[in-house]
Amino acid sequence: GQNIDQPTEMTATEGAIVQINCTYQTSGFNGLFWYQQHAGEAPTFLSYNVLDGLEEKGRFSSFLSRSKGYSYLLLKELQMKDSASYLCAVRNGDYKLSFGAGTTVTVRA
Amino acid sequence: TAGITQAPTSQILAAGRSMTLRCTQDMRHNAMYWYRQDLGLGLRLIHYSNTAGTTGKGEVPDGYSVSRANTDDFPLTLASAVPSQTSVYFCASSESGGASDTQYFGPGTRLTVL
Repeated sequence: GQNIDQPTEMTATEGAIVQINCTYQTSGFNGLFWYQQHAGEAPTFLSYNVLDGLEEKGRFSSFLSRSKGYSYLLLKELQMKDSASYLCAVRNGDYKLSFGAGTTVTVRA
Repeated sequence: TAGITQAPTSQILAAGRSMTLRCTQDMRHNAMYWYRQDLGLGLRLIHYSNTAGTTGKGEVPDGYSVSRANTDDFPLTLASAVPSQTSVYFCASSESGGASDTQYFGPGTRLTVL
């Protein structure tokens, strides 16, 4: 079975840094994705990790440790528009995505 | 750029009635997917299609059927709706369904079954 855990909610101040953790136990592993979803909208792709280490893309970075079944998404220089849900998803052995329940990030002024 | 479109945007449906949710993509992607999103549960895969003419069952397929007659369209049908099918439904597509493939999502259909 698939088990993907991430915190339900996080709150941070504009300009700060927030780290969203994701732990997973899946049948097979073919990469980990992070998506951003604003309220009432579709998920949009943020990042993909398949090898251990850090992938940096502007203000957002994503880290993966396959041996620990662990990833995090790092959001730097937070802006109000970053208030959204962040979804961790693992591509399992049959190439299908299994999603966590999502972490709602609220950015306060 | 259209990408993926879904229709309707929202719908209220009486229990026992049938309904088809439409999904069309213009990216010539081979793979398409249907998910439902419920509070606290995240996105769950209902059905998928790796290429036109083929379909497969996801995590929660019961009560739903799909067809893939061509590359662009992937309709989802509820034959006899029940209240537990109240959810937000997202269609997605990806180039090939392979390991590094990124899925792109449509805007969603909010369905309420009463």
